[in-house]
Amino acid sequence: DVKVTQSSRYLVKRTGEKVFLECVQDMDHENMFWYRQDPGLGLRLIYFSYDVKMKEKGDIPEGYSVSREKKERFSLILESASTNQTSMYLCASSLWENGYRGQGQETQYFGPGTRLLVL
Amino acid sequence: DQQVKQNSPSLSVQEGRISILNCDYTNSMFDYFLWYKKYPAEGPTFLISISSIKDKNEDGRFTVFLNKSAKHLSLHIVPSQPGDSAVYFCAASGDGGSNYKLTFGKGTLLTVNP
Repeated sequence: DVKVTQSSRYLVKRTGEKVFLECVQDMDHENMFWYRQDPGLGLRLIYFSYDVKMKEKGDIPEGYSVSREKKERFSLILESASTNQTSMYLCASSLWENGYRGQGQETQYFGPGTRLLVL
Repeated sequence: DQQVKQNSPSLSVQEGRISILNCDYTNSMFDYFLWYKKYPAEGPTFLISISSIKDKNEDGRFTVFLNKSAKHLSLHIVPSQPGDSAVYFCAASGDGGSNYKLTFGKGTLLTVNP
């Protein structure tokens, strides 16, 4: 079974603090993703990475950065936390590589989530 | 613009009956569709998927139907059980841009009453 773990389930931080959220997957997946989930807004993609040291912006990258130094680990960084970044943060991974569409490798597997409260 | 839409924010059904969750999409490039289930304070879990070359996929109590001409898919749960109560997200892949991404709907909260 795919296992995606996130470093914290709950975090409380103060406005202006630098926040690190870490995610580790154990299935040698190529791709990793960071989402945030807010009531009524569904899952919104912040950043994703399709290879070590490679990253692409998602739909809402402002105020966030990411780091992928090793294949199994993908970090989300809030450079200066703000109250509007209070949310549930979800990490996911998928195997998908070029040429293999529609065979299930697009499936993303999620971690348990980190609920972040910024005061 | 929302490319994947779940127009019903919530749905309530009786235990033992059928639950039908609907999803519409606008991007004709999408070629793979997935349903996820999410309990509060947990990450989404993959439930079932369907490729655009099929119109139906079944896994136990869960069946997904795809109508490409209508750009519509639905998830049927039969029979519904109280443990099925969760938020269900529809997602689509292959938007012609980045093939790594999934585009999610906003979710439907299913409540199964005993």
